[in-house]
Amino acid sequence: EAQVTQNPRYLITVTGKKLTVTCSQNMNHEYMSWYRQDPGLGLRQIYYSMNVEVTDKGDVPEGYKVSRKEKRNFPLILESPSPNQTSLYFCASSPRIGTSDAQYFGPGTRLTVL
Amino acid sequence: AQSVTQLDSQVPVFEEAPVELRCNYSSSVSVYLFWYVQYPNQGLQLLLKYLSGSTLVKGINGFEAEFNKSQTSFHLRKPSVHISDTAEYFCAVSPNTGGFKTIFGAGTRLFVKA
Repeated sequence: EAQVTQNPRYLITVTGKKLTVTCSQNMNHEYMSWYRQDPGLGLRQIYYSMNVEVTDKGDVPEGYKVSRKEKRNFPLILESPSPNQTSLYFCASSPRIGTSDAQYFGPGTRLTVL
Repeated sequence: AQSVTQLDSQVPVFEEAPVELRCNYSSSVSVYLFWYVQYPNQGLQLLLKYLSGSTLVKGINGFEAEFNKSQTSFHLRKPSVHISDTAEYFCAVSPNTGGFKTIFGAGTRLFVKA
């Protein structure tokens, strides 16, 4: 089944404790992206990747890191999480570089930083 | 730069009634337009998209949307809703000049009542 998977689905952590949210897609998509969803703000892009070893900042990259060492995986790293990073996070992928393709979304990771 | 405004944050409607979810956008370049749906505890999935051609676009689950270039709108409609349509709906735009940016609206929560 074609899908985007994220782990964990739920995470509660404390300020400053490094964490990684994994994202994997099995559709051989070139483009992958991370979003955060906050009430009243919709989805805001954190980082995106056009292909292996090629990443760039989105609209809200502060406090986050990403890597793209393999085409299928695009982990999101929070080196020192803070309470304002409490949010619902989505990973997404699409077939080609460019913006006419729809994106395929993972199920989301709900992160709480205490 | 692009922006998306979803004019209603919540839309309550009775089952079998028609519904319209409104979306206006602003852009200095031509755009592709999307509607996504998010069911509870799930990621977003594509409902429909407008790339070019006919301004009336049909999507899944009986939804359709009409692109109006002069009014910069892309309203979503369904003639008769079901309880199962209860979800959050997101309008999104991407520039058709290339690039990797998709801008999402804040979302409209559709609540279908029996």
